[in-house]
Amino acid sequence: LAKTTQPISMDSYEGQEVNITCSHNNIATNDYITWYQQFPSQGPRFIIQGYKTKVTNEVASLFIPADRKSSTLSLPRVSLSDTAVYYCLVNRDSSYKLIFGSGTRLLVRP
Amino acid sequence: DTAVSQTPKYLVTQMGNDKSIKCEQNLGHDTMYWYKQDSKKFLKIMFSYNNKELIINETVPNRFSPKSPDKAHLNLHINSLELGDSAVYFCASSHANQPQHFGDGTRLSIL
Repeated sequence: LAKTTQPISMDSYEGQEVNITCSHNNIATNDYITWYQQFPSQGPRFIIQGYKTKVTNEVASLFIPADRKSSTLSLPRVSLSDTAVYYCLVNRDSSYKLIFGSGTRLLVRP
Repeated sequence: DTAVSQTPKYLVTQMGNDKSIKCEQNLGHDTMYWYKQDSKKFLKIMFSYNNKELIINETVPNRFSPKSPDKAHLNLHINSLELGDSAVYFCASSHANQPQHFGDGTRLSIL
């Protein structure tokens, strides 16, 4: 299973765009890239998933370059409620064995 | 309507006791999971059941025994609790090839 590396923490201010980059140099051909968000005292919540190029949904965008060795989660115009830990995962499919790393602790300031 | 619900939310007990954590999902998913999140916040998968059959069994002490009476339930029974079992336990569910949905966790504290 591909290992992921992401910053331990990031700071931002309300209204800014936040980009969190994840490295996954050993990603396999069949692997997908998935991001989860976790608030204190809650379980992780699925944000977005992609295989290549760009994926966008109502909460975030995911940019994946052609070599797929990294990915960037983009959160447009963050608010205080976006303060959470963000996990980047690489796995064969969304089901079964998810391997969570240490995540990126995002702090959004007023 | 809670999609994945765990009970109890908090569990405080003494070493050596036996306890159970219950999990129910109303999403119609066919696969359910148990994860453990330790004090350093690392989430690790413990077990997974697909259609009531065990499909993932990580290196977990055999004091931990999952039980799936039906597709909507996956309970976790822990015998002879130890101090190192203190953690937050998360239940999750999914359809094959779809993202997992997590409950809000059960915080287990061993005295």
